[in-house]
Amino acid sequence: AQSVTQPDIHITVSEGASLELRCNYSYGATPYLFWYVQSPGQGLQLLLKYFSGDTLVQGIKGFEAEFKRSQSSFNLRKPSVHWSDAAEYFCAVAESEYGNKLVFGAGTILRVKS
Amino acid sequence: GAVVSQHPSRVICKSGTSVKIECRSLDFQATTMFWYRQFPKQSLMLMATSNEGSKATYEQGVEKDKFLINHASLTLSTLTVTSAHPEDSSFYICSARESGRQETQYFGPGTRLLVL
Repeated sequence: AQSVTQPDIHITVSEGASLELRCNYSYGATPYLFWYVQSPGQGLQLLLKYFSGDTLVQGIKGFEAEFKRSQSSFNLRKPSVHWSDAAEYFCAVAESEYGNKLVFGAGTILRVKS
Repeated sequence: GAVVSQHPSRVICKSGTSVKIECRSLDFQATTMFWYRQFPKQSLMLMATSNEGSKATYEQGVEKDKFLINHASLTLSTLTVTSAHPEDSSFYICSARESGRQETQYFGPGTRLLVL
């Protein structure tokens, strides 16, 4: 069965600092990986996704993620965090590129201090 | 971008009553919609997959007679929590997949259900 682990429940970074949110997955076949962001009272917004090809994926809002098969990881990064990035971030894996049966990690809450 | 709405955003009900939650795709047609449940400080768990015009597919452990799903049109799916009890209190989120564009699910803002 697929599973996703986000080891950090909370992360606090200073505005302007770099950010890395960790995600590890467990899946026997080629994973289809997603990062979503959820702001309070709003739905999840897709930041980026990886299906195949280049292992470094660019997303919206200046985010990127790198797929590392050897480490079963798909960490999310941003070189310079803005206060508006404060939200909860979810990593997810699906059994196909159609996003069927998304399995989510527990989420990481990002706090940005000025 | 594609927008999905949910109504109501919050609902409080008495134990034993039924509650209906609507999920609408506002500017696109959605052949498939998904219903998730999110407990506090936990992640989203898929409850069921709803396909327009056919019966929903429920995940293991989800009672189909308790969580009734109807997907009668390409823009509307409803989740009815029947005979709600306090343990059904949760955050319910729907997502919709645009017909002909299968790769992305668009999520609604969620519905907070509190059963007293």
